[in-house]
Amino acid sequence: DAMVIQNPRYQVTQFGKPVTLSCSQTLNHNVMYWYQQKSSQAPKLLFHYYDKDFNNEADTPDNFQSRRPNTSFCFLDIRSPGLGDAAMYLCATSRGQEDRRETQYFGPGTRLLVL
Amino acid sequence: AQKVTQAQTEISVVEKEDVTLDCVYETRDTTYYLFWYKQPPSGELVFLIRRNSFDEQNEISGRYSWNFQKSTSSFNFTITASQVVDSAVYFCALSEAYSGAGSYQLTFGKGTKLSVIP
Repeated sequence: DAMVIQNPRYQVTQFGKPVTLSCSQTLNHNVMYWYQQKSSQAPKLLFHYYDKDFNNEADTPDNFQSRRPNTSFCFLDIRSPGLGDAAMYLCATSRGQEDRRETQYFGPGTRLLVL
Repeated sequence: AQKVTQAQTEISVVEKEDVTLDCVYETRDTTYYLFWYKQPPSGELVFLIRRNSFDEQNEISGRYSWNFQKSTSSFNFTITASQVVDSAVYFCALSEAYSGAGSYQLTFGKGTKLSVIP
């Protein structure tokens, strides 16, 4: 059974056209993360939510926003996608009951193409 | 600052060969966790193992084994009798007790792409 679900798996958007990627989880985890992974690179953390508390990484562009309406869902909004934003976007979750060293569980990712 | 180095960018082996993926890390913390993830072509990062810095016992899970050596700051991963389904990118990652400003950031290595040839 899928535990971290990402939709869609593939997303095509136009340069400058806002796009939203979604993530849901059935694990009831407190923490949800969004990572960006470009080709042949390691995943790069964009931000995470601890419950409703939003934590932005210092170098995440303002073009990227996130929403977490409830425990199960988290959205990544790209306000004005540029060609450089084409990447795999990975959602992950962790329990949030331990300290920061706990295991993160990843979804299958959404591959974004910007035309 | 923490750092994870996977010096092998790509490795190719013939099916049934054993292969070891290297991981070397740097951290100032005395308490930390190390992880290995597998990323097949489909893109999902699959969790393989988590190891506490205080536990230096080697671990074996089927054809997978991990060798943690704190003295050399290494956490190497060996696949025995490799199979085509093992073809993937493997990431080593490090998590410290505190990585700043409430961050839960995992520090990933750049990954090693393993190709198992039939």
